Amino acid sequence: EVQLVESGGGLVQPGGSLRLSCAASGFTFNDFWMSWVRQTPGKGLEWVANTNEAGGERYYADSVKGRFIISRDNAKNSVYLQMTSLRVEDAAVYYCVRGGGLAVSGTKGWFDPWGQGTLVTVSS
Amino acid sequence: EIVLTQSPATLSLSPGERATLSCRASQSIAGYLAWYQQKPGQGLRLLMYDVSNRATGIPARFSGSGSGTDFTLTITSLEPEDFAIYYCQQRSGWFTFGGGTKVEIK
Repeated sequence: EVQLVESGGGLVQPGGSLRLSCAASGFTFNDFWMSWVRQTPGKGLEWVANTNEAGGERYYADSVKGRFIISRDNAKNSVYLQMTSLRVEDAAVYYCVRGGGLAVSGTKGWFDPWGQGTLVTVSS
Repeated sequence: EIVLTQSPATLSLSPGERATLSCRASQSIAGYLAWYQQKPGQGLRLLMYDVSNRATGIPARFSGSGSGTDFTLTITSLEPEDFAIYYCQQRSGWFTFGGGTKVEIK
C-alpha cells in the first residue's frame, strides 16, 4: 500500500522556522516527483513546491520562494520542507504528495496519493 | 496564474441522483485537468486525470469531460460515500486548484 506520512507541524511564532518531513512507503520512491501542497479554509489549496526524482530540480510557488526549501533523501524514502521566515499567512495544513512533474505524463504527473497532512500554526 | 472557477459551490442531492460539477479555466488548459475528492479530515483522492481518465480503483459512475476552458465531472448515480468536496486542478501552467464544490445530502 502506498503511504505518505507527514510530521513536524506545530505552533511557531512569526519569523520562526519549521521543518516538515514526509516518509514514503509502498512504491519506488526515486521514480517519482514529490510535492508539498497546503490548504487553508480561506485560501483553499495551494501548491507550494516540488522536486524531481533525483532532487536536482526544485520549484517553488512565488509566495514561498526564498523562504522555503524542498529536499529529498532517496536512501531514506523521505522528502522535506524547510520553512523559514514564517508568516501568519503560511499557517495551513501541509500535505506531502506524490507526483507533480509538469512534463510527466499519465498519473505520475498528477498528485496521487496525498498524505494525511500536518498542521502548521503561525502565531505569536 | 491560471484561475479555476468551480460551480456550483454546493450541490444538494439525494442518493441515486446524478451530479454534474463544473470547472472553468481562465485560459485554455488543453487536457491538463484532474478532479479530486476530499472527505473531512483527509487528504485529497485523485479521481480523474487528463480530463477523462479514471484513476486506479475509481468506479465507473465517475466520468470527466471537456476541453479548452470548460470541464465537467459527472457522477451518474450518487452513492452514500460520494458526498464530499470535489476539486479540479490544472497543470498546464504550474499548478492551481479550483475552490471546490461540496456535494451534500438533500
